[in-house]
Amino acid sequence: DAKTTQPNSMESNEEEPVHLPCNHSTISGTDYIHWYRQLPSQGPEYVIHGLTSNVNNRMASLAIAEDRKSSTLILHRATLRDAAVYYCILRDKREYGGSQGNLIFGKGTKLSVKP
Amino acid sequence: SQTIHQWPATLVQPVGSPLSLECTVEGTSNPNLYWYRQAAGRGLQLLFYSVGIGQISSEVPQNLSASRPQDRQFILSSKKLLLSDSGFYLCAWSATGGFVGTGAEAFFGQGTRLTVV
Repeated sequence: DAKTTQPNSMESNEEEPVHLPCNHSTISGTDYIHWYRQLPSQGPEYVIHGLTSNVNNRMASLAIAEDRKSSTLILHRATLRDAAVYYCILRDKREYGGSQGNLIFGKGTKLSVKP
Repeated sequence: SQTIHQWPATLVQPVGSPLSLECTVEGTSNPNLYWYRQAAGRGLQLLFYSVGIGQISSEVPQNLSASRPQDRQFILSSKKLLLSDSGFYLCAWSATGGFVGTGAEAFFGQGTRLTVV
């Protein structure tokens, strides 16, 4: 499986934008880029995913490099509630159909938000 | 809507005792099901996943086993717990065939914090 590399930790100030980077230089053409986050003592929650084009939803934006070897999760205005571990994951879209169901998490980036 | 139930929320068990953690999903059919473990201060480790009844794939050799007796039920078991089995256990599901959005999202339960003493 293609792997991702993220910084171990980042800090942000409340109400400022946060850019969380992820490198995935061995990404294949059928890999989707997924982001999840895990709040303390909770299970991970889905944030966003994309393939080639930039994506926006109510939680965040995902900016994908033209060569797809890196991506950035953007939180437009960080709140204290956004303090969490953020995971960048690659998932082969061919796995969605069922025969390969694994979803592998790396170590993620621990985001701290200062008031 | 789909929901995932995982219980118990916390569990303290002595070394050598058996374990059974149960996870059920409602509101969907034929989901992919997963068991993860997170040791204190560590990342999420995928333990097992299942793409159908009776179909279990193990990611790492260990003291645990998993079963899927029904379509939306996933059970994590151990015959004899070890101290190293302590951790935060999470069950998750994702759709197959694109029933939910693109089928890309995985949804996690609230987890079971297991302490083996």
